[in-house]
Amino acid sequence: AQSVSQHNHHVILSEAASLELGCNYSYGGTVNLFWYVQYPGQHLQLLLKYFSGDPLVKGIKGFEAEFIKSKFSFNLRKPSVQWSDTAEYFCAVSYSSASKIIFGSGTRLSIRP
Amino acid sequence: DADVTQTPRNRITKTGKRIMLECSQTKGHDRMYWYRQDPGLGLRLIYYSFDVKDINKGEISDGYSVSRQAQAKFSLSLESAIPNQTALYFCATSDLRGTHNEQFFGPGTRLTVL
Repeated sequence: AQSVSQHNHHVILSEAASLELGCNYSYGGTVNLFWYVQYPGQHLQLLLKYFSGDPLVKGIKGFEAEFIKSKFSFNLRKPSVQWSDTAEYFCAVSYSSASKIIFGSGTRLSIRP
Repeated sequence: DADVTQTPRNRITKTGKRIMLECSQTKGHDRMYWYRQDPGLGLRLIYYSFDVKDINKGEISDGYSVSRQAQAKFSLSLESAIPNQTALYFCATSDLRGTHNEQFFGPGTRLTVL
């Protein structure tokens, strides 16, 4: 079955630390990949997306993600986190053969000021 | 501005009551979705619709029903609410043609069933 895994459920970092959140998806042909962020008390907002082309994609607020096809991965990175990055982060995959998006279970990021 | 709106934003109800959550969008998207969010479980799809009169079950449709009254409106009903339906509910829209199924979310409805 098509699935998305986020192995880190809760990540705690200090400000200025580097961030990498893992996302792996099951094989299913051509994919569209997304990272969404949910700030406390708010709805999900798109951080970045990959459809085709350069596998390194840049999003808002200094985030980037790299699509590694051979590893079925789309990890999210940020070189230096800020307290305002405290949020929950969701990876999502849309398979071209399917009609809906599948979301990972989310990673809660806590930043110590 | 184009937007996805949900009403109500918060609702407290009792076991056995029927309730309806409303979603409206001005994005002109043809696809609409209902998700529920529970801590540690991410978003789970309840129902989705690709057009008026098109209704599809998601992974957790039991205990829920939906109605797509118009392209811009998609409502979710709990026929007889139970406490384990306490959750945060999100409506979303997408347009496969233009944005590769990127989802645009409403602000959410926090539902508590006592």
